[in-house]
Amino acid sequence: GQQVMQIPQYQHVQEGEDFTTYCNSSTTLSNIQWYKQRPGGHPVFLIQLVKSGEVKKQKRLTFQFGEAKKNSSLHITATQTTDVGTYFCAGTTSGTYKYIFGTGTRLKVLA
Amino acid sequence: GAGVSQSPSNKVTEKGKDVELRCDPISGHTALYWYRQRLGQGLEFLIYFQGNSAPDKSGLPSDRFSAERTGESVSTLTIQRTQQEDSAVYLCASSLFPLAGGSWDTQYFGPGTRLTVL
Repeated sequence: GQQVMQIPQYQHVQEGEDFTTYCNSSTTLSNIQWYKQRPGGHPVFLIQLVKSGEVKKQKRLTFQFGEAKKNSSLHITATQTTDVGTYFCAGTTSGTYKYIFGTGTRLKVLA
Repeated sequence: GAGVSQSPSNKVTEKGKDVELRCDPISGHTALYWYRQRLGQGLEFLIYFQGNSAPDKSGLPSDRFSAERTGESVSTLTIQRTQQEDSAVYLCASSLFPLAGGSWDTQYFGPGTRLTVL
């Protein structure tokens, strides 16, 4: 079945350092979403990417969707302690409404 | 406006008992999703509703799990004869129009129900 893997599983960075998480799907995706889940909280939508090669930015966050629509990345520039949480990608394939969530990357930012 | 609400927030039950979890989506959202999240794990898709029909039930782990939805409103997830491996947070999400592109697909999550089976 379809699988979505994320690497790394955990990342500890010093405040001010950059952070990147990578999302890889075993199948071509029709779109991909990114969510952030704070400790003890529920996932909160960040962004959706639909087009091959698409790049979107939200302040210090940059999201990319691969040309083959099988991978994606989230890059955070100059991390802050408020960036702490687990970042999930979630993808769906054409003809289905089922979102497969990635395994998540847990980010810890050390002040 | 009000977000997605779920009840109860916590449920502790004994093995073998049935439980019913409730989700109230955002008003007007046609799509509703149920997910399961075990401690420290990712989200596991359970079922999707479009209106009150469920075109995709493929994620339900066993026939002990069932779900229904009334129109484009409340949904209930029922787990019969609970087992200890059912212990998890059950999350509900709703979206306006699924797979329509743009912001229509944004899934808004509820706070979840933490189920503990003793």
